[in-house]
Amino acid sequence: GAVVSQHPSRVICKSGTSVKIECRSLDFQATTMFWYRQFPKKSLMLMATSNEGSKATYEQGVEKDKFLINHASLTLSTLTVTSAHPEDSSFYICSAPVAGVADTQYFGPGTRLTVL
Amino acid sequence: AQSVSQHNHHVILSEAASLELGCNYSYGGTVNLFWYVQYPGQHLQLLLKYFSGDPLVKGIKGFEAEFIKSKFSFNLRKPSVQWSDTAEYFCAVTYSGAGSYQLTFGKGTKLSVIP
Repeated sequence: GAVVSQHPSRVICKSGTSVKIECRSLDFQATTMFWYRQFPKKSLMLMATSNEGSKATYEQGVEKDKFLINHASLTLSTLTVTSAHPEDSSFYICSAPVAGVADTQYFGPGTRLTVL
Repeated sequence: AQSVSQHNHHVILSEAASLELGCNYSYGGTVNLFWYVQYPGQHLQLLLKYFSGDPLVKGIKGFEAEFIKSKFSFNLRKPSVQWSDTAEYFCAVTYSGAGSYQLTFGKGTKLSVIP
């Protein structure tokens, strides 16, 4: 099946710093990728839709200036958490749909962010 | 707003026991339904999906789910669980009218199978 990777898998940073998380589709092209945030004992919450060649679409309540998304190519989307604070600590997951496989997404392994 | 409810937060079963995990969604229109599984330390994987047709859907690893439109439900079942089924299970929905790939997830059910 299609493979989506994320890097890094874990990151610990100091409060006030910025952290970049990469999401790559390894064996297919993705014009759209999705970024989710998963809280402990809660469901995955869609943060934004990353669109290759255009601006990301953010869900209500997600600060676009804090969570910067860049879809640099057909295989890479990045999420940058700017001026991170402890409340940004979470598990961030990306996914990408495969063209021609309707309504089916492939998920990355996730990135655990801890902000001290 | 549309939502997905999973009734059980944590289910503990012995091997060979039967499993049923509940899932209900709130939208009355056309939906596509999914069950995803997340094994410890691994990424989300698709177990099965329902788009149309036979409401009883068979997935990988012996799992099946039944779509009951009148009950807005899509419960996951397995007749005999194994220790290797220990994982977190997420029910998810895409709704017509939203972007067709935009998934709404339930909160997940953690399944622990005791050998």
